[in-house]
Amino acid sequence: SQQGEEDPQALSIQEGENATMNCSYKTSINNLQWYRQNSGRGLVHLILIRSNEREKHSGRLRVTLDTSKKSSSLLITASRAADTASYFCATDTANTGNQFYFGTGTSLTVIP
Amino acid sequence: NAGVTQTPKFQVLKTGQSMTLQCAQDMNHEYMSWYRQDPGMGLRLIHYSVGAGITDQGEVPNGYNVSRSTTEDFPLRLLSAAPSQTSVYFCASSYSGTGRIISSGNTIYFGEGSWLTVV
Repeated sequence: SQQGEEDPQALSIQEGENATMNCSYKTSINNLQWYRQNSGRGLVHLILIRSNEREKHSGRLRVTLDTSKKSSSLLITASRAADTASYFCATDTANTGNQFYFGTGTSLTVIP
Repeated sequence: NAGVTQTPKFQVLKTGQSMTLQCAQDMNHEYMSWYRQDPGMGLRLIHYSVGAGITDQGEVPNGYNVSRSTTEDFPLRLLSAAPSQTSVYFCASSYSGTGRIISSGNTIYFGEGSWLTVV
């Protein structure tokens, strides 16, 4: 399987702190995306980073990509209780064409 | 736009029963897919479609059938339900842009999920 792996599996922080979660994958990718899932809901797209990019920002989100290490990180700055959710990375590769592979997710809890 | 709509939200089946999970999108997306989500396993792709009349298998297709007669609809059929198919099912769609091959980097839009229990 080309499924990514998020690390850590669970993370608990205080409101206002920064949260960092990592994603590792197995083969070369075209793009990597991060998604958020609130409890009992579907996944929502957060940010995309292409294989030729190293860093991307969107509001309080910062994503980095290291293709040499086959890894990506998602940083959420100044976390809020509303950021409590599970976060997933998704990759698509030249070899898999139309298949997107999701990681196992990081469960983030932000304590007010 | 309603986005991606899945029904039913919850379903309990007996082993051996069949059922269909419905999925519809109103964004004119060519690409649609079904995932199942199990604890500790993330999301696993069951089947996908790059356009009407075209379907293909994902990682875990056994026990499931799909069809794509229209751009809008992509139903998932469980032929003979088994307890191992107890899971949360998500339908998703995306704009492919180039027809049969999905353009990399397109946002995937998800439905709200269908919770299925097979007893």
